[in-house]
Amino acid sequence: DQQVKQNSPSLSVQEGRISILNCDYTNSMFDYFLWYKKYPAEGPTFLISISSIKDKNEDGRFTVFLNKSAKHLSLHIVPSQPGDSAVYFCAATDEGGGADGLTFGKGTHLIIQP
Amino acid sequence: GAVVSQHPSRVICKSGTSVKIECRSLDFQATTMFWYRQFPKQSLMLMATSNEGSKATYEQGVEKDKFLINHASLTLSTLTVTSAHPEDSSFYICSARDSRAGGVYEQFFGPGTRLTVL
Repeated sequence: DQQVKQNSPSLSVQEGRISILNCDYTNSMFDYFLWYKKYPAEGPTFLISISSIKDKNEDGRFTVFLNKSAKHLSLHIVPSQPGDSAVYFCAATDEGGGADGLTFGKGTHLIIQP
Repeated sequence: GAVVSQHPSRVICKSGTSVKIECRSLDFQATTMFWYRQFPKQSLMLMATSNEGSKATYEQGVEKDKFLINHASLTLSTLTVTSAHPEDSSFYICSARDSRAGGVYEQFFGPGTRLTVL
């Protein structure tokens, strides 16, 4: 049973526009959420995170929004650049419960078109 | 900062042999490291949590006798795949959390190790 779901396997966005990647979770114990970017045959690179006590966190072109009641989070990238093309993983953890490992979604392949 | 290395990056071995993968935090200390596995076009799956100086905690379904984890120092964790079989072929990735971070929960990942068992 997937506790973290990324229902869009791929997303194509024109350069300069906004990219919105979505993630849903089912485990109400999750209290910390992270987004990672990954290229083939490489380890994931941390992008941005958000605690469950917040509903928004912004870092440069990246903003993560959290809707706890809907168990939904999204990553906004604006403006999108060609170098943003990669697979993006949403991850969650139950820090308050001491569970340190991350639970990952299946990823969304973002393609930025020139 | 927060660089994690893995060695080797790629290994091909014969069925029945054992393979050791090293994970090092290069510029920070990590009391906790994690080992993940990724099958092609699949998500990363947590295999085990490696704690410095104590036994690793394995996720359900992961054979601890097959995947031996040793975290002997604050900068090194090793994963040994014992008696490897073709079904163990996968991409293994480690991550580490900076022990000094205190309240920061980001995990920093190594570049991964591609294991192919013939």
